[in-house]
Amino acid sequence: ETGVTQSPTHLIKTRGQQVTLRCSSQSGHNTVSWYQQALGQGPQFIFQYYREEENGRGNFPPRFSGLQFPNYSSELNVNALELDDSALYLCASRPNPGQSYEQYFGPGTRLTVT
Amino acid sequence: DQQVKQNSPSLSVQEGRISILNCDYTNSMFDYFLWYKKYPAEGPTFLISISSIKDKNEDGRFTVFLNKSAKHLSLHIVPSQPGDSAVYFCAASGSRDDKIIFGKGTRLHILP
Repeated sequence: ETGVTQSPTHLIKTRGQQVTLRCSSQSGHNTVSWYQQALGQGPQFIFQYYREEENGRGNFPPRFSGLQFPNYSSELNVNALELDDSALYLCASRPNPGQSYEQYFGPGTRLTVT
Repeated sequence: DQQVKQNSPSLSVQEGRISILNCDYTNSMFDYFLWYKKYPAEGPTFLISISSIKDKNEDGRFTVFLNKSAKHLSLHIVPSQPGDSAVYFCAASGSRDDKIIFGKGTRLHILP
């Protein structure tokens, strides 16, 4: 049973550019959440996808968007990058919505915006 | 507006002693609380949780205590071991909301 994987590990982008981060959920998990962890902060909930539809969102602007695919892998897209978007982006998968303790995190993608 | 607060950025404890990590919350709608542990270059790993209908949950060396009237929870690790050195996040959620709110974390150092 493979765990949650994310790609790329590190990424450097310029302000104004767009970025796509990828996540492969743990086998059998149909729910994925994305988090942003800025330096010195805890993870902040961006949104959650369940069966390819967004079913929960945190306080992030619309330029943060996502997709979940039939195989339950997912993407986080960020448009018009800003310097404050520099952070560790974590995805987490779980077997079903709810049961929040059964959430398994990937190692994250470190995004630097210059 | 921080709904989950971990006021100690770091904590150092002698190996073999008890480590106590504290967490306060402000939202009375939270009814499920979790602790996660994070090593460098890895994602957070679930450690232990507690429902608001309980005041204590124990799993091996780890015990979480919940004081609802004070909106306070704590994680006790006893005895502390070198492998416990990590960042610990307190987190909370409501039963009607899948969103999990994390604190800023406490870095625990276990001293030899």
